[in-house]
Amino acid sequence: IAGITQAPTSQILAAGRRMTLRCTQDMRHNAMYWYRQDLGLGLRLIHYSNTAGTTGKGEVPDGYSVSRANTDDFPLTLASAVPSQTSVYFCASRMAGGSNYGYTFGSGTRLTVV
Amino acid sequence: AQSVTQLDSHVSVSEGTPVLLRCNYSSSYSPSLFWYVQHPNKGLQLLLKYTSAATLVKGINGFEAEFKKSETSFHLTKPSAHMSDAAEYFCVVTSGASDKIIFGKGTRLHILP
Repeated sequence: IAGITQAPTSQILAAGRRMTLRCTQDMRHNAMYWYRQDLGLGLRLIHYSNTAGTTGKGEVPDGYSVSRANTDDFPLTLASAVPSQTSVYFCASRMAGGSNYGYTFGSGTRLTVV
Repeated sequence: AQSVTQLDSHVSVSEGTPVLLRCNYSSSYSPSLFWYVQHPNKGLQLLLKYTSAATLVKGINGFEAEFKKSETSFHLTKPSAHMSDAAEYFCVVTSGASDKIIFGKGTRLHILP
């Protein structure tokens, strides 16, 4: 692994189903983030974690949950998917505690809820 | 409060001509500013960043940006566009005071042959 790995790369999901998007990084970054990207809306923050064991809500957290059991992994769970959650999801990480650090992004998960 | 505005949602230039992607920001504190590029069906890649050192920042692929505090701008430029530059570009502002990160809505760059 080099950087951030997201899985799956794409998924078609029936409405009402539960789904976990996986994100793993090997850079020992302490902060991790989940964004969704929608046409015309740019990237919107769903949830974040500044360090293992802590999480916080972003701009659009409803319908999503996260956990941060360790430094490397930051899964995003949709408990009961709805069509409005059709989007491209990006996981990102960086060293927290200083705004000088840029993000490293994963390649994204394209999710379609039907 | 912080905000970032990318002034153009789409920009079209001919191959070999200069590129200008505009970004204005608002920040109560000394900001750090970034430009990211996203090629189709790919993740975002860091192009360059400004973090209170030199105001003219050089990035990858021949891009550069100049931080102008008086104009609250951080426009991205390239002297000569290449077909491979066709992508979406995001301006990002952060502030050490809040560590909050704000993305612009993106500018899609089209390169005409």
